[in-house]
Amino acid sequence: DSGVTQTPKHLITATGQRVTLRCSPRSGDLSVYWYQQSLDQGLQFLIQYYNGEERAKGNILERFSAQQFPDLHSELNLSSLELGDSALYFCASSVDFGTSAQETQYFGPGTRLLVL
Amino acid sequence: LAKTTQPISMDSYEGQEVNITCSHNNIATNDYITWYQQFPSQGPRFIIQGYKTKVTNEVASLFIPADRKSSTLSLPRVSLSDTAVYYCLVGDRGGGFKTIFGAGTRLFVKA
Repeated sequence: DSGVTQTPKHLITATGQRVTLRCSPRSGDLSVYWYQQSLDQGLQFLIQYYNGEERAKGNILERFSAQQFPDLHSELNLSSLELGDSALYFCASSVDFGTSAQETQYFGPGTRLLVL
Repeated sequence: LAKTTQPISMDSYEGQEVNITCSHNNIATNDYITWYQQFPSQGPRFIIQGYKTKVTNEVASLFIPADRKSSTLSLPRVSLSDTAVYYCLVGDRGGGFKTIFGAGTRLFVKA
């Protein structure tokens, strides 16, 4: 158990809908990262937050957005969903300032999203 | 960003030592090298991290030559449960921080 929690574990929805994925980082961790992993694909970095502020953006679609709240939990919002958005979405957290990949990231169990 | 190159897949047998090499020719002076392990449908798990020479923990060893353009993850006496994807990452010290996992190496351990 990494200490990172994600809800829900599974989500089934229809095209065009909007969903929200939630992540609670490890106690004391200030940085939260979101990743997408499609079937047989590697992990794609989406976005990172540090202490409530956006730190870095990867290949995140405009239909996707995220935020980190004062209690440090984070939400990833996916809207106008398409079939191709079906994937595992992972959240990770790290303790430091998130300025380099040398930080250890602790990953949650993921949310499996299926868009029908 | 320092790009990494790893073999796509490797096979091994239980009890053998497995060495997975990662190339990172454009590694920056302050970059560290980190390896993660991922089982199917699970999030990646940190294995080991190093800057130069050799690092060893209870799980693996990491060998980094003087030029740091490559690194080798060594898994001693693998078991069936070591079947997973192994990712090599190199730190990005640019203006923003983006984690590049790459395709990883699929290790399959046979009985």
